[in-house]
Amino acid sequence: KAGVTQTPRYLIKTRGQQVTLSCSPISGHRSVSWYQQTPGQGLQFLFEYFSETQRNKGNFPGRFSGRQFSNSRSEMNVSTLELGDSALYLCASRDQRGGNEQFFGPGTRLTVL
Amino acid sequence: QQQVKQSPQSLIVQKGGISIINCAYENTAFDYFPWYQQFPGKGPALLIAIRPDVSEKKEGRFTISFNKSAKQFSLHIMDSQPGDSATYFCAASISGTYKYIFGTGTRLKVLA
Repeated sequence: KAGVTQTPRYLIKTRGQQVTLSCSPISGHRSVSWYQQTPGQGLQFLFEYFSETQRNKGNFPGRFSGRQFSNSRSEMNVSTLELGDSALYLCASRDQRGGNEQFFGPGTRLTVL
Repeated sequence: QQQVKQSPQSLIVQKGGISIINCAYENTAFDYFPWYQQFPGKGPALLIAIRPDVSEKKEGRFTISFNKSAKQFSLHIMDSQPGDSATYFCAASISGTYKYIFGTGTRLKVLA
């Protein structure tokens, strides 16, 4: 099975712009979670989607949003970008029949100038 | 209460030595504790995970030791190799939430 794929791998944006990141989970996995990774804050949970519904949300401002499609692919959107949004954004997929185990994609490196 | 504290921040070990990374948590509702390995430019990869009903789990050179009463768990890497040089993260979650709380990471360097 192919692993979790994320596109694009790298992005450069300027402050005030918005960005959309995409994640395709492992085939058959219906749960997708998003995490932000920065040197200062480490890995922080953004939100989790299952069957097109957001089930869990971390402590991030409303500028961070997401959605999941019927094929389980997920997108994450960040509006009104700030310098502090520069980070590696990781997507993880999970087989809801397989317990808690999550599999991470390679991430999208977002740089905000 | 949601934090997972990880130490040390960095670790240097000679080839063939034992690498030990420790994590501590407060929330007794956590019931799943995975360890992830991350190489530069890659996403974290699951190494090994444990639930509180066992005190130790071993997979190859990697062992998790779990102390439920102390609310601590640790990763032991036996016979450490230069290829093990990476950043290691512990995490904790509550079954049914699928939200991982990660430790701050340990950068391991194994000297050849």
